[in-house]
Amino acid sequence: AQSVTQPDIHITVSEGASLELRCNYSYGATPYLFWYVQSPGQGLQLLLKYFSGDTLVQGIKGFEAEFKRSQSSFNLRKPSVHWSDAAEYFCAGLPNTGTASKLTFGTGTRLQVTL
Amino acid sequence: DAGVTQSPTHLIKTRGQQVTLRCSPKSGHDTVSWYQQALGQGPQFIFQYYEEEERQRGNFPDRFSGHQFPNYSSELNVNALLLGDSALYLCASSGRTGFNSPLHFGNGTRLTVT
Repeated sequence: AQSVTQPDIHITVSEGASLELRCNYSYGATPYLFWYVQSPGQGLQLLLKYFSGDTLVQGIKGFEAEFKRSQSSFNLRKPSVHWSDAAEYFCAGLPNTGTASKLTFGTGTRLQVTL
Repeated sequence: DAGVTQSPTHLIKTRGQQVTLRCSPKSGHDTVSWYQQALGQGPQFIFQYYEEEERQRGNFPDRFSGHQFPNYSSELNVNALLLGDSALYLCASSGRTGFNSPLHFGNGTRLTVT
């Protein structure tokens, strides 16, 4: 079955420190991969997406993610975290069959930022 | 440019009742999808509407039904509500069903079933 796993339920980092959120996928073929962020009481905002090509993907708000086929991973990174980055982060996958809507989401990682 | 709008923002219903949630897609989008997000979980795909027809469906019972109108807005209906239906219901729109039209999400409707 197709799945996306986020091993970390909750992560706390200090403001200014670097961040890495883990995501692993299980698909028959390399899926399309996404990272979304959800602030309290808000919907989901797309941070970045990977379809093919360069394995290092740049997104909004200074985030980037690296696709590693050998590890079935798509980890999200940020060099220096700001207090406003505190939110829930979701990794999502989509079979590479061209239908955008049926995303499979991980269970999310809640990021807490200490000052 | 208005994004995806959903109404109402919050709703409280009793078991066995029926509920209708509404969604207006982002301007220029014609495809609407619905997701259910239970507390502490990631969103789960319910179904997708395009050209006023249900095109894809996730693993949800027939109690969950929908509709899309000619102006691309959509409704999600849930019949015979169960306590387990309590969740945040998210609507997402996109330009086409293709992968290169990422989803834009609304802020959701929080449904509480008592």
